[in-house]
Amino acid sequence: DAGVIQSPRHEVTEMGQEVTLRCKPISGHDYLFWYRQTMMRGLELLIYFNNNVPIDDSGMPEDRFSAKMPNASFSTLKIQPSEPRDSAVYFCASSLSRPYNSPLHFGNGTRLTVT
Amino acid sequence: EDKVVQSPLSLVVHEGDTVTLNCSYEVTNFRSLLWYKQEKKAPTFLFMLTSSGIEKKSGRLSSILDKKELFSILNITATQTGDSAIYLCAVEVGGSQGNLIFGKGTKLSVKP
Repeated sequence: DAGVIQSPRHEVTEMGQEVTLRCKPISGHDYLFWYRQTMMRGLELLIYFNNNVPIDDSGMPEDRFSAKMPNASFSTLKIQPSEPRDSAVYFCASSLSRPYNSPLHFGNGTRLTVT
Repeated sequence: EDKVVQSPLSLVVHEGDTVTLNCSYEVTNFRSLLWYKQEKKAPTFLFMLTSSGIEKKSGRLSSILDKKELFSILNITATQTGDSAIYLCAVEVGGSQGNLIFGKGTKLSVKP
């Protein structure tokens, strides 16, 4: 299995531009999570989906952030417009709901730099 | 507010030393505690703990959970330079597949 695949690996953009991050979860996993990691705040959950349906988006910082999961094998996280404070590493992770409490499998992340 | 606190924030040891990493938590609706190792990229899963007092082992790594005192420890014996990484503790809370709340991690550096 290729694991969770994220693209791009690195993204450098200017303030005000739209950024789209992509994720392909492990085949068969029915949960998908988007996390953001910074030195100051560590790993923070932004949103997670179950069977393609958003379950909890309370971690999404503001309306500039949106996430979609149009099918079981693809999800996007969009930031529009981007700001320098959005600079971070964004991780996508997936898991199975069975067996119960299966661990998350993380992708390699997208390092976003907004100048 | 749910929180997970790890200590120390960073640690430098020499090869062969034994280290103990700490994780304490205050959460509602605890479901499980997980340890991850993060080197340069993705965190990779180490252990999942759900019951107090039952040690989980994998080679030189072991971990145990105390649900009464609300903490867990991760032990690494006979450390090697390859153990250098950030070790993340996370607590799963609530729901049928709850949110994972992560600590900020312990950065371990193992010197030759």
